[in-house]
Amino acid sequence: GENVEQHPSTLSVQEGDSAVIKCTYSDSASNYFPWYKQELGKRPQLIIDIRSNVGEKKDQRIAVTLNKTAKHFSLHITETQPEDSAVYFCAASKGGSYIPTFGRGTSLIVHP
Amino acid sequence: GAVVSQHPSRVICKSGTSVKIECRSLDFQATTMFWYRQFPKQSLMLMATSNEGSKATYEQGVEKDKFLINHASLTLSTLTVTSAHPEDSSFYICSATASGAQETQYFGPGTRLLVL
Repeated sequence: GENVEQHPSTLSVQEGDSAVIKCTYSDSASNYFPWYKQELGKRPQLIIDIRSNVGEKKDQRIAVTLNKTAKHFSLHITETQPEDSAVYFCAASKGGSYIPTFGRGTSLIVHP
Repeated sequence: GAVVSQHPSRVICKSGTSVKIECRSLDFQATTMFWYRQFPKQSLMLMATSNEGSKATYEQGVEKDKFLINHASLTLSTLTVTSAHPEDSSFYICSATASGAQETQYFGPGTRLLVL
């Protein structure tokens, strides 16, 4: 089955800095890669996703890049703010009705 | 749109009792619902997948007789933790996907279970 590795497990940055979280996956058939943000005690919320037919997608301060050859994808957050502090999960799936496999999560701490 | 609710949000029970958690899709029909378990500072661990009107598919290592799942309608799935023990204490989160958009999972707010 699919195996998703996520790094780092903890990331501490100063407000205004950029943050990068990286994930690798094992199944070359995976073609859908969502990212979720989970604040403490709350539900995970989809913040951005990317499909295998594109290499990059951007939404304001958030961007995701995908390298299918190397089987890795990354989340980039620019101009970080304290409210970006949360746990971020990457996931990979074959799309459609396939269940995504989640990474272990990255705890992002943005210091004011 | 695409709101998933969960009830209760928090429950404390005595060891040996059973606890039922409800997961509802409020504004869409959920083709599939998923049940996850999350320990503190850890990832989401998929427990089972359920489709309306059929038996749930459990992940390896999850006891189907202990974690009973009933998906009676396209908007409701329930998870019953039977004969709960302290080691069952955890954060249980459901999610749902809608037909035509099966890639996107909409998560419920979670239920924190504490077994004394």
